[in-house]
Amino acid sequence: DQQVKQNSPSLSVQEGRISILNCDYTNSMFDYFLWYKKYPAEGPTFLISISSIKDKNEDGRFTVFLNKSAKHLSLHIVPSQPGDSAVYFCAALGGSQGNLIFGKGTKLSVKP
Amino acid sequence: DGGITQSPKYLFRKEGQNVTLSCEQNLNHDAMYWYRQDPGQGLRLIYYSQIVNDFQKGDIAEGYSVSREKKESFPLTVTSAQKNPTAFYLCASTAQGAWQPQHFGDGTRLSIL
Repeated sequence: DQQVKQNSPSLSVQEGRISILNCDYTNSMFDYFLWYKKYPAEGPTFLISISSIKDKNEDGRFTVFLNKSAKHLSLHIVPSQPGDSAVYFCAALGGSQGNLIFGKGTKLSVKP
Repeated sequence: DGGITQSPKYLFRKEGQNVTLSCEQNLNHDAMYWYRQDPGQGLRLIYYSQIVNDFQKGDIAEGYSVSREKKESFPLTVTSAQKNPTAFYLCASTAQGAWQPQHFGDGTRLSIL
């Protein structure tokens, strides 16, 4: 059973607009969440994270929002650029030894 | 330049053969991890190691083995017992301390001939 879910396999956005990627989780014990960006045939690159004591974390064009009551987090990219086109993975720190539990990813396409 | 190096980038294996994937890091990280990614899937944990000479099974350890004789190295062996080894394999490491992100290598794509 998936503990971290990314229900949208793909998302297409126009350049300059906002991209919103969503992630839901089932375990209320998760206390740290991360977003990774992945290009084909490369390893994921860490983007941004948020701990459960916060509801928002911002880094340049990237903002992550956490709604603990809804067990939902989202990544906002503003403005979106063609170079943002990649697969985005949501992950939760859930294992007893610091393991990450990943969603299946959302493929973002930013069109010029 | 610190980072995680996985080699080779592409690997081909005949059925019935064992094959070892290399992962080296010079980040002085204590913990290292192996993941497998299949098309349309997230990353699934195979094995992880928090310290030298110790490692633990992840969610899909069957058909795989690892060793951690040195802090900087965490090789993964895909044995002939792994029924569906064709996948993209990713190695990661992380520093000690709360809420540290994992850093990934560029992966090895394993294909069965």
